[in-house]
Amino acid sequence: AQKITQTQPGMFVQEKEAVTLDCTYDTSDPSYGLFWYKQPSSGEMIFLIYQGSYDQQNATEGRYSLNFQKARKSANLVISASQLGDSAMYFCAMREWAGNMLTFGGGTRLMVKP
Amino acid sequence: GAVVSQHPSWVICKSGTSVKIECRSLDFQATTMFWYRQFPKQSLMLMATSNEGSKATYEQGVEKDKFLINHASLTLSTLTVTSAHPEDSSFYICSARDREQQETQYFGPGTRLLVL
Repeated sequence: AQKITQTQPGMFVQEKEAVTLDCTYDTSDPSYGLFWYKQPSSGEMIFLIYQGSYDQQNATEGRYSLNFQKARKSANLVISASQLGDSAMYFCAMREWAGNMLTFGGGTRLMVKP
Repeated sequence: GAVVSQHPSWVICKSGTSVKIECRSLDFQATTMFWYRQFPKQSLMLMATSNEGSKATYEQGVEKDKFLINHASLTLSTLTVTSAHPEDSSFYICSARDREQQETQYFGPGTRLLVL
């Protein structure tokens, strides 16, 4: 079974608008961490934001925020005021504390329109 | 933020040759490094986890004799693709977890391998 699911293979957003990228996860481990990475066409993986399962507040990092809904097992990434440079692949990932490695979702390709 | 480097950034080789890819954590110590493989338009797939000073742990379906991993120090891990074949052509990415900040995992810029 998929542990990390990103249901949007591709999305368009108008420049300066906000966009939400969906991510749902499946785990029985009570302790886990959720990550979002950006991968531009150059291929590098850029860490964006992290949310721990016990964190009381949703994580925020500049224009990025994570809408963490633990009961629904979702960890959507919200990008505010989209910029052309935000066009890239975005990957949601999870690491269960019982394990050691990151498990990635299939990714969402975001395209920002001028 | 923390920096992870990979060398080379791209390599073209003939079928049957071996290719070594280096992964270095430049400003932190990494007790654990990970090697991923990514085919075009697909997600990253974990190949193996390497811990400094011990044998790597390979994911199911990854041939350990073909993909040799050495994690000789807290800042260096190497992946050697032995007797490479065209189907090994892919994007290989390493990542490292900061010994002091275990939550975050930093990625290298990746190595594009093309086997002719």
